[in-house]
Amino acid sequence: DAGITQSPRHKVTETGTPVTLRCHQTENHRYMYWYRQDPGHGLRLIHYSYGVKDTDKGEVSDGYSVSRSKTEDFLLTLESATSSQTSVYFCAISGLGNTEAFFGQGTRLTVV
Amino acid sequence: EDQVTQSPEALRLQEGESSSLNCSYTVSGLRGLFWYRQDPGKGPEFLFTLYSAGEEKEKERLKATLTKKESFLHITAPKPEDSATYLCAVEGMNTGFQKLVFGTGTRLLVSP
Repeated sequence: DAGITQSPRHKVTETGTPVTLRCHQTENHRYMYWYRQDPGHGLRLIHYSYGVKDTDKGEVSDGYSVSRSKTEDFLLTLESATSSQTSVYFCAISGLGNTEAFFGQGTRLTVV
Repeated sequence: EDQVTQSPEALRLQEGESSSLNCSYTVSGLRGLFWYRQDPGKGPEFLFTLYSAGEEKEKERLKATLTKKESFLHITAPKPEDSATYLCAVEGMNTGFQKLVFGTGTRLLVSP
């Protein structure tokens, strides 16, 4: 799986609580991404990072924040989880000049 | 806005019965078109990148082709292990560097 580890793999949380998902890579790739996957919508980009402390918004960034303090770690935070954020979240990485992204195994998040 | 439409949504084949999956796209300046395979409960697995009309790439029983408006994933003599969801994505000039827009996928089931 291209050296990508997502944690946790499954999480159930209550509405209004903060949640942090972690993505760890061992490939030393520059670019890291967070996507969510929902039925009927496909994969949608939430945030991405093009280097340590360099991040930007994707298509569906409202309600999410990210941080990247080290090359290998990219964190996705839901400040106050809502039921609409119930989804499967995928982290992906890609190298400079290579747009093909490699994905982690996903985190299934349920907000009740 | 870049868009990707995949058809059919689902396809059922008998083992050995060849067919094609379609990916239609609209993008202002195509940097690349990507095909991924996704098995249930797993992250997408990279298959191909196509960059310009007329380009073709092959991998085992899969062959991807590209025109200015669409891409096809041809599956020749499929086997049950080819059953998966196949995702198409584009990187366009407007979307931004190394950011992908995905279609909703085609679920392929190959019966023995």
